[in-house]
Amino acid sequence: DAMVIQNPRYQVTQFGKPVTLSCSQTLNHNVMYWYQQKSSQAPKLLFHYYDKDFNNEADTPDNFQSRRPNTSFCFLDIRSPGLGDAAMYLCATSRGGDDPQFFGPGTRLTVL
Amino acid sequence: TQLLEQSPQFLSIQEGENLTVYCNSSSVFSSLQWYRQEPGEGPVLLVTVVTGGEVKKLKRLTFQFGDARKDSSLHITAAQPGDTGLYLCARTPPFSGGSNYKLTFGKGTLLTVNP
Repeated sequence: DAMVIQNPRYQVTQFGKPVTLSCSQTLNHNVMYWYQQKSSQAPKLLFHYYDKDFNNEADTPDNFQSRRPNTSFCFLDIRSPGLGDAAMYLCATSRGGDDPQFFGPGTRLTVL
Repeated sequence: TQLLEQSPQFLSIQEGENLTVYCNSSSVFSSLQWYRQEPGEGPVLLVTVVTGGEVKKLKRLTFQFGDARKDSSLHITAAQPGDTGLYLCARTPPFSGGSNYKLTFGKGTLLTVNP
């Protein structure tokens, strides 16, 4: 009965080689978020969608892109990963407002 | 920017000890959420506090929301190794009727409970 699913759980890529992380949800929530989290730090929001409306954080590098083809799925594309992009990437969903966010288990990205 | 200050940043204690984690802001919260993140997993919501002065209990965890709704605390009684994790407070956006659906997270408290 997983609600927010992220694949893969672990991803290894090479410096500069594009990579796509995926997230799916069974909650039918309007809002989907992508966060980057480095060790023992708070998650840092990269962008979020309300339905198909995309909201980018001002300090999110252009190297990070996202797609949301439908309510259930959201993708994070890293066009040219650098060593500094190695991190845990968390997907979350919510109905918005004061409602809690439901997080997936994350994808641990390693850049060689 | 409505920042959240969370303290302490790191806490290492022995099993059976008590501890308190604090979350403060200079501005009023509409509501505050506490999350726990176990190693290698995503954060999981523990509780939402909404009303000033509110106290909520979740087994050995007690959450308080300050009367002025600018601060909150999480107290753990008789900590166990299973309590180990990153504890995050997060304020919800003030209702604007618009499209602000972002949480503002504190920096987190990394708790280690040693057996």
